[in-house]
Amino acid sequence: QLVLTQSPSASASLGASVKLTCTLSSGHSSYAIAWHQQQPEKGPRYLMKLNSDGSHIKGDGIPERFSGSSSGAERYLTISSLQSEDEAVYYCQTWGTGIHVLFGGGTKLTVL
Amino acid sequence: QLQLQESGPGLVKPSETLSLICSVSGASITSSDYYWGWIRQPPGKGLEWIGSLYYSGSTYYNPSLKSRVTISVDTSKNQFSLNLTSVTAADTALYYCARLKPPTRGVSWGYFDYWGQGTLVTVSS
Repeated sequence: QLVLTQSPSASASLGASVKLTCTLSSGHSSYAIAWHQQQPEKGPRYLMKLNSDGSHIKGDGIPERFSGSSSGAERYLTISSLQSEDEAVYYCQTWGTGIHVLFGGGTKLTVL
Repeated sequence: QLQLQESGPGLVKPSETLSLICSVSGASITSSDYYWGWIRQPPGKGLEWIGSLYYSGSTYYNPSLKSRVTISVDTSKNQFSLNLTSVTAADTALYYCARLKPPTRGVSWGYFDYWGQGTLVTVSS
C-alpha cells in the first residue's frame, strides 16, 4: 500500500537552511512526488514536481531558494536562506494507478 | 495567469447536499493537457483528495467518498462543480479546487499545479 510519511514538525533559524523529508512506502521508491506549501490562512501553493532521479520542475515564480532532491525512497525539499514567510505547512503528494492522488500528512515548519 | 475560484454556501444542514462551483479563468477547462480536481481540508487537519474530472466528463473519485460524490463540468461557463450528498459534521472543511497535471499523456492522475484559495463549508443545523 502506497503511503507518504512526513515528520509532523520541523524548525530552523531565520537565514539558515532546512531539509524536509517525504518518505515513500516500501516498494514505491520509483515514484515521483510534488511539494506544496500552505502558509497560514492560505490555500496550498505548488512548489515543484520531484522525480526519483532528483530532477524537478518548479512552479511559476518559485524562488531559487527552494530545491528538491531524492535518495532511494526519500524525497527532499530544501529551503535555503530561510525567511519568515517560509513558515508554513509543507505537503508532499503522489499519484498512480488505482490511487490517483495521495497526500502526506504535512510538516509544519517553524522559522525561529 | 490561471485563477481558480470556489463558490457556494458556507453552511449546509446535516443530511443535505453540499454544492460548490469552481470558476476557472486564464485558461480553458477544455484543454486536453489537464484534469481538474477537488480537495478538502478539515479544520486543523491535512489534505484529502475528493475527486477529479476531464473536460469530456470522465470522473475519478476517492473510494472513501465515491458513493456520495458527483463532479461535473460546464464547459460553456468554464466551470466545474462538486456535489456531496448526505453530509454530516465530518464533512466540515475547507474545500479547494485545483488543476491537475498528468505526468504523461493518457493517464488520469498527476499533481496539482494551481490551486484556488478555498472556501469553508460548515455542516450544522
